[in-house]
Amino acid sequence: KQEVTQIPAALSVPEGENLVLNCSFTDSAIYNLQWFRQDPGKGLTSLLLIQSSQREQTSGRLNASLDKSSGRSTLYIAASQPGDSATYLCAVSSLSWGKFQFGAGTQVVVTP
Amino acid sequence: DAGVTQSPTHLIKTRGQQVTLRCSPKSGHDTVSWYQQALGQGPQFIFQYYEEEERQRGNFPDRFSGHQFPNYSSELNVNALLLGDSALYLCASFEQSNYGYTFGSGTRLTVV
Repeated sequence: KQEVTQIPAALSVPEGENLVLNCSFTDSAIYNLQWFRQDPGKGLTSLLLIQSSQREQTSGRLNASLDKSSGRSTLYIAASQPGDSATYLCAVSSLSWGKFQFGAGTQVVVTP
Repeated sequence: DAGVTQSPTHLIKTRGQQVTLRCSPKSGHDTVSWYQQALGQGPQFIFQYYEEEERQRGNFPDRFSGHQFPNYSSELNVNALLLGDSALYLCASFEQSNYGYTFGSGTRLTVV
């Protein structure tokens, strides 16, 4: 059974600092991995999707890496801003159309 | 282009009652998944619908049932509500282009 773990559970950084969020999964036979952002009481916003054949994806200040063999993904957010404060969730899927297994998320606070 | 829309946004029900939540997938998407997210946790997969049939199911009791209509919209029904069913219910539709998911804003269900 796939288990997804996100460390740390919470993180507080001053504005301008780079953020590093970690996600680990127990079964390396994944199809893809997706990072989401969730604001309090809201739905999920997709940030980056990495296919199993890819090593990383980039979008603006965001970069996500994937190491399937070690069961790890890292989300980097450069030059953090107060607007980046949210919970970040990692999810993996073992089938192309299959269900996602989510981590519990990392709650990020960026202080001005 | 409208994304995934869910209704209602908030709902309060009494224990033992039944509830129906609705979801319209993103235009052109034919696969809908439902997730339950308890406070402080990652979303848990309930089930997925494709071509009006339940294709995959998570570890949820039969009190949770669903339906998909010919226009790909979907309903989630929960019978005999328990206090523990209080959660944010998220609907996601499947992106054929990159095998990722787009989530709606969710329905917040409170059982009292």
